[in-house]
Amino acid sequence: GAVVSQHPSRVICKSGTSVKIECRSLDFQATTMFWYRQFPKQSLMLMATSNEGSKATYEQGVEKDKFLINHASLTLSTLTVTSAHPEDSSFYICSARGIGRDHGYTFGSGTRLTVV
Amino acid sequence: QKEVEQDPGPLSVPEGAIVSLNCTYSNSAFQYFMWYRQYSRKGPELLMYTYSSGNKEDGRFTAQVDKSSKYISLFIRDSQPSDSATYLCAMSAWYGGSQGNLIFGKGTKLSVKP
Repeated sequence: GAVVSQHPSRVICKSGTSVKIECRSLDFQATTMFWYRQFPKQSLMLMATSNEGSKATYEQGVEKDKFLINHASLTLSTLTVTSAHPEDSSFYICSARGIGRDHGYTFGSGTRLTVV
Repeated sequence: QKEVEQDPGPLSVPEGAIVSLNCTYSNSAFQYFMWYRQYSRKGPELLMYTYSSGNKEDGRFTAQVDKSSKYISLFIRDSQPSDSATYLCAMSAWYGGSQGNLIFGKGTKLSVKP
């Protein structure tokens, strides 16, 4: 089955620093990557959508200069949280949709970010 | 009204019980309906996928879609403690030749007691 590897699974960083989260599709080409944020007991909130080789499309209210998304290849997308603040602490999850896979996005295992 | 409504629970059942999880939605354009299972501190994993109306069965799991009522269900038979997780419904429409973004419910937290 399709696998998306997400790293790191957990990261603690200091306020003001930047953190990069990687998602790799291991056995398929991810034409579209989605980045979600999930607060405790809340649903997945879509942050942005990126297509390989194109600029990401951000959802309303998501700061594109703060959450930098790169989708330079069909197997790798990164989310960089810049100048992190404690309110950025959350669970970040990527998902990928590949060629010929029009349904059932494959999710990464998530990254727990804690900003202290 | 939110596009997708799902009772967050928590729902607690004894082992062996039949579990019924539900979502309602408002967008009649939705055509793809999915159920994801999410264990604590993990990413969601796809359980069931249904296109348009009807039923789909996979082992102990049955997904139902009633587009006329804008209502979808997931049934779990002979529930096991390992089924304890949060179940998220998700749905999307088809726009201009491609699938739209998934819209998720809040998720229902299920606990199956031994």
